[in-house]
Amino acid sequence: TQLLEQSPQFLSIQEGENLTVYCNSSSVFSSLQWYRQEPGEGPVLLVTVVTGGEVKKLKRLTFQFGDARKDSSLHITAAQPGDTGLYLCAGFNSGGSNYKLTFGKGTLLTVNP
Amino acid sequence: GAGVSQSPRYKVAKRGQDVALRCDPISGHVSLFWYQQALGQGPEFLTYFQNEAQLDKSGLPSDRFFAERPEGSVSTLKIQRTQQEDSAVYLCASSSRGRGNEQFFGPGTRLTVL
Repeated sequence: TQLLEQSPQFLSIQEGENLTVYCNSSSVFSSLQWYRQEPGEGPVLLVTVVTGGEVKKLKRLTFQFGDARKDSSLHITAAQPGDTGLYLCAGFNSGGSNYKLTFGKGTLLTVNP
Repeated sequence: GAGVSQSPRYKVAKRGQDVALRCDPISGHVSLFWYQQALGQGPEFLTYFQNEAQLDKSGLPSDRFFAERPEGSVSTLKIQRTQQEDSAVYLCASSSRGRGNEQFFGPGTRLTVL
């Protein structure tokens, strides 16, 4: 079983602060995705990273895929209350099925105004 | 509708009852997935359909869980003789491509078994 460990599990910060959350595994993934989930809703895809070392930016969010494709990070600059939510990383197995997503437990982010 | 819809949104069942959860995927989406999300956890894969064919049911926790998609669109997840450990949010997702790389999730059904 391929596991994705996310850290920290909980994060509470003030508006305007920067933060980084991490997603780590001992296994190689063919690609990693980041989702945000709000209470009572399903996860919404933010980004997919495919190439080792890849960096993608989405407004104030920066996503990085590790060189070995075993880990990823999400950095948020100048966090806003609207960024509050559960951030989940999920990966497709390398060499395995190309449809089965393995999710981490998530990082619950609270941005206080 | 434009997105994936699920019904009911909330379901309370007494232990031992059977329940049926419905998923309406985005029109035309080939792939459909069911996930189980326990409190404080990430979603866990249950089963995968491509059109009407159930290609992977390896994540179903026991033979009390059964899923179908008879016409390749709407899907139903049925849980027989519910138990307290079945309490969770059940998420449905659909994708337009067989590989399922971009999955669109519904809002989920929160099942509480008393």
